Amino acid sequence: EAQVTQNPRYLITVTGKKLTVTCSQNMNHEYMSWYRQDPGLGLRQIYYSMNVEVTDKGDVPEGYKVSRKEKRNFPLILESPSPNQTSLYFCASSSPNFPGRLDSPLHFGNGTRLTVT
Amino acid sequence: QQQVKQSPQSLIVQKGGISIINCAYENTAFDYFPWYQQFPGKGPALLIAIRPDVSEKKEGRFTISFNKSAKQFSLHIMDSQPGDSATYFCAANSGGWGGGNKLTFGTGTQLKVEL
Repeated sequence: EAQVTQNPRYLITVTGKKLTVTCSQNMNHEYMSWYRQDPGLGLRQIYYSMNVEVTDKGDVPEGYKVSRKEKRNFPLILESPSPNQTSLYFCASSSPNFPGRLDSPLHFGNGTRLTVT
Repeated sequence: QQQVKQSPQSLIVQKGGISIINCAYENTAFDYFPWYQQFPGKGPALLIAIRPDVSEKKEGRFTISFNKSAKQFSLHIMDSQPGDSATYFCAANSGGWGGGNKLTFGTGTQLKVEL
């Protein structure tokens, strides 16, 4: 089954404790992206990657890191989490030519709910 | 800076009624407008999309109406059903490979269809 898998689904941590949220896709997609979803703010892009070893900042990259060493994996790293990073996070992937287009829609994972106390 | 403004934030519709969600944009470089549907506990999924060279796109009970001059587009759900209860996101994309090739999402509308 074609899917984007995120782990963990739920995570509670304390301020300053480094964490990683994993994302893996089995559709051979070149484009991958991370979003955070907050009430009243919708989905905001954190980082995206056009291909292996190619990453770029989205709209809200502060406090986050990513890496793309393999095509299928795109982990999100919070080196020193803070309470304002409490949010619902989504990883997404798409085929390369026109990410998000009708013929290559974004495929989202089921989300990771992060709470930072 | 909200490039795609979506309203209303929440909407309650009776079963069989019409649900209407509106979006407006400023960036005239946007040339692709999808709608994503999100059920509780799930990620968003593409529902329907339109390009600005047409004024309307219909798929089953779902219709996008597009007004290029007003820079507005809307989602109409005809004969709304309880199973349509979800959060809906409009989005816009400026196209092209590289550079601005990413979706800008609206803030979302939580739709509840009551029996």
